[in-house]
Amino acid sequence: DQQVKQNSPSLSVQEGRISILNCDYTNSMFDYFLWYKKYPAEGPTFLISISSIKDKNEDGRFTVFLNKSAKHLSLHIVPSQPGDSAVYFCAADTSYGKLTFGQGTILTVHP
Amino acid sequence: GAGVSQSPRYKVAKRGQDVALRCDPISGHVSLFWYQQALGQGPEFLTYFQNEAQLDKSGLPSDRFFAERPEGSVSTLKIQRTQQEDSAVYLCASSLDGAVNQPQHFGDGTRLSIL
Repeated sequence: DQQVKQNSPSLSVQEGRISILNCDYTNSMFDYFLWYKKYPAEGPTFLISISSIKDKNEDGRFTVFLNKSAKHLSLHIVPSQPGDSAVYFCAADTSYGKLTFGQGTILTVHP
Repeated sequence: GAGVSQSPRYKVAKRGQDVALRCDPISGHVSLFWYQQALGQGPEFLTYFQNEAQLDKSGLPSDRFFAERPEGSVSTLKIQRTQQEDSAVYLCASSLDGAVNQPQHFGDGTRLSIL
């Protein structure tokens, strides 16, 4: 039972354009959502998060949107840069930090 | 360094051997988590410590897996009588106090290969 799903295994965008990564969840008890970025042979690095009481959180080039009624969140990266190429994981939390992760989306940003 | 440190980075063991994986969390972080990441998948929760207390071990796959954090800082994940399906990357993460809205900081993981 996959409670957090990232249905796009990969995404390819041109440098300077917008990257949109999507994530769906099924558990309505999730109340905190995070995005992590992962380079090969490294651990996930925290990017941005959002509480369920908000619908948008912005940090520089990164914006996370949350649609609770649709149980959907997305990460927007504008403008995309080649250094953004990595695997992106969304994760959800209900309580003390026991994170449930999606399968990840491989983002490739072409120069 | 100031981040989460895991050792060894790579471990190869024969089926049936016991292995021990170490995690040094960020200094002062109360909460510590272990995750298992299979190839092409997202990390999956194994167990959680608050200081030295293991508060949740619901993700441990079998009784061959054992974790401890005796002094509330360094943690060790031990796998006894390893099987091929134990091959994965084992990630450790820590957070300041484990409360909701506290991002976890991950180490680079230990890649375990069972032959």
